[in-house]
Amino acid sequence: NAGVTQTPKFRVLKTGQSMTLLCAQDMNHEYMYWYRQDPGMGLRLIHYSVGEGTTAKGEVPDGYNVSRLKKQNFLLGLESAAPSQTSVYFCASSPRGGGALNEQFFGPGTRLTVL
Amino acid sequence: GQQLNQSPQSMFIQEGEDVSMNCTSSSIFNTWLWYKQEPGEGPVLLIALYKAGELTSNGRLTAQFGITRKDSFLNISASIPSDVGIYFCAALNYGGSQGNLIFGKGTKLSVKP
Repeated sequence: NAGVTQTPKFRVLKTGQSMTLLCAQDMNHEYMYWYRQDPGMGLRLIHYSVGEGTTAKGEVPDGYNVSRLKKQNFLLGLESAAPSQTSVYFCASSPRGGGALNEQFFGPGTRLTVL
Repeated sequence: GQQLNQSPQSMFIQEGEDVSMNCTSSSIFNTWLWYKQEPGEGPVLLIALYKAGELTSNGRLTAQFGITRKDSFLNISASIPSDVGIYFCAALNYGGSQGNLIFGKGTKLSVKP
């Protein structure tokens, strides 16, 4: 099993450009998440999904959109990138949302720079 | 909103020393998790705690779920160079928002050989 994979690993954008980050998991997990990690800020939840076809806002959703068309994939979109979105983005998945099933498994991250 | 206060922010220790770090909050949680993140990698789950007072070990790591459900600590015994990384606590009250872990800001551990 590959676990959680993220594409791409690195990306540089100009302000105003758009892009999509792809997260894939092969563990048949129901829940998937997108976080951003900034120096000294820990991990902050952007959006999450509790199942195929569903999405919900996390702590810092502004400027991002997500889609979960297939259970194994969770896409994060930036419609018009801003320098404030320069960050490392992590995807995670968990079997479900309660108790032991909330143990989240993380991907390796995508380092995004917006100039 | 709910916040986790993780301390210390950073530690510089000698190989062989024991390490202790903790997370506190003014809120009550049902689950405490401890993750380790190495440079250029995603966080990896070390220990999960689900009951107040629970004490769980994973090799040289030991973590406890505080009796008040508002705190947790992680101890590392006899540290080695590969313990270097950032350790994050995370907590969840799954009676509220399902799946929304809250993370501390991390403790950066440096180990001198």
